[in-house]
Amino acid sequence: AQKITQTQPGMFVQEKEAVTLDCTYDTSDQSYGLFWYKQPSSGEMIFLIYQGSYDEQNATEGRYSLNFQKARKSANLVISASQLGDSAMYFCAMKPPGSARQLTFGSGTQLTVLP
Amino acid sequence: ETGVTQTPRHLVMGMTNKKSLKCEQHLGHNAMYWYKQSAKKPLELMFVYNFKEQTENNSVPSRFSPECPNSSHLFLHLHTLQPEDSALYLCASSQEGRNTEAFFGQGTRLTVV
Repeated sequence: AQKITQTQPGMFVQEKEAVTLDCTYDTSDQSYGLFWYKQPSSGEMIFLIYQGSYDEQNATEGRYSLNFQKARKSANLVISASQLGDSAMYFCAMKPPGSARQLTFGSGTQLTVLP
Repeated sequence: ETGVTQTPRHLVMGMTNKKSLKCEQHLGHNAMYWYKQSAKKPLELMFVYNFKEQTENNSVPSRFSPECPNSSHLFLHLHTLQPEDSALYLCASSQEGRNTEAFFGQGTRLTVV
């Protein structure tokens, strides 16, 4: 069974500053994929970034980077230069690679960017 | 236009009504999903379809009935729902066999009165 834990129900960050959203996971699989999604108040889940368990380098996508520490089973999302439009719920998720099943989500972190 | 489209966006229904949620994906994916998102709860996977065949049903009550007529369309038929079924219902699609992300629709916000 897979489990995702997000311990920060809410976070605040000043505009233009960086913020780290925590995610830890538990799995017995040797190979897996980790994902971060953003959900604005409109409801749509927007894919942000992906990290494979065998990827040696941390994933980056524009202002998003994933701080992957495999031994600690953590996959924190770092958002640099926060913008007001970044205010949303952020979900960490994981699934076995190559499978359409079992995309397991964490409980989410509500990020608020302050002007 | 988003790759995954859900209709309606909002739905209010009585407990004795029958309604259907529709999802359509324009991405050529072969797997589609229904998720339920209740307030202050993680997303719950409800159903998975691979190549139009249902491969998972996560102990969902029979008042929720999925239908997948082809790989691009997915329905969720609702009947005799309860107030606790009020939630955001999200549809997603992905490509089976590839380690890629799932793409989500904007969801249907359902209120059962």
